[in-house]
Amino acid sequence: AQTVTQSQPEMSVQEAETVTLSCTYDTSESDYYLFWYKQPPSRQMILVIRQEAYKQQNATENRFSVNFQKAAKSFSLKISDSQLGDAAMYFCAYRISGSARQLTFGSGTQLTVLP
Amino acid sequence: EAGVAQSPRYKIIEKRQSVAFWCNPISGHATLYWYQQILGQGPKLLIQFQNNGVVDDSQLPKDRFSAERLKGVDSTLKIQPAKLEDSAVYLCASSLRQGSTDTQYFGPGTRLTVL
Repeated sequence: AQTVTQSQPEMSVQEAETVTLSCTYDTSESDYYLFWYKQPPSRQMILVIRQEAYKQQNATENRFSVNFQKAAKSFSLKISDSQLGDAAMYFCAYRISGSARQLTFGSGTQLTVLP
Repeated sequence: EAGVAQSPRYKIIEKRQSVAFWCNPISGHATLYWYQQILGQGPKLLIQFQNNGVVDDSQLPKDRFSAERLKGVDSTLKIQPAKLEDSAVYLCASSLRQGSTDTQYFGPGTRLTVL
């Protein structure tokens, strides 16, 4: 069975600074996807970034980037130039490759951005 | 493009009562998912539909939970009778199912409180 572990229940960062959220996962599959979702107090899950396991290049979306270490089964999210609107719960998620597959989520990291 | 719609947003019931949640996926999305998110945890898949057929309901407590997706569009999730431990946010998501790159889009969720 696949598991996703987020070992940081809470993190805080000063506005305009950089923060890194950690995620590790366990799988015997070789082809899969990894995601970071953001869930603000409104509860709407918003996709932040996605990484295909077969790609060696780390995904980047504006201020968000990942450090994907396939051998170590590690998938961390770096948020640069943090903004107050980045404050939310962040979930790491895993999905086996192939269409219409379920997501397996970690337990989340609550990010606070300090003004 | 309209997002995934869910109603109601909040529901408070007493244990042993019944409750139903409704989800309208993004137009054209063939796959629909219901997740249960208990406070402080990541979402957990309850059931997955492909059009109007069930793909995976292995984690659905079938003695009290039921779900249907008539005509392959809207879906309802029902709990009868509710227990205290059913207090959670129920998230609906949909995906297009286009190759292996389909992204799941989430609705705002329904927060259920069982007293």
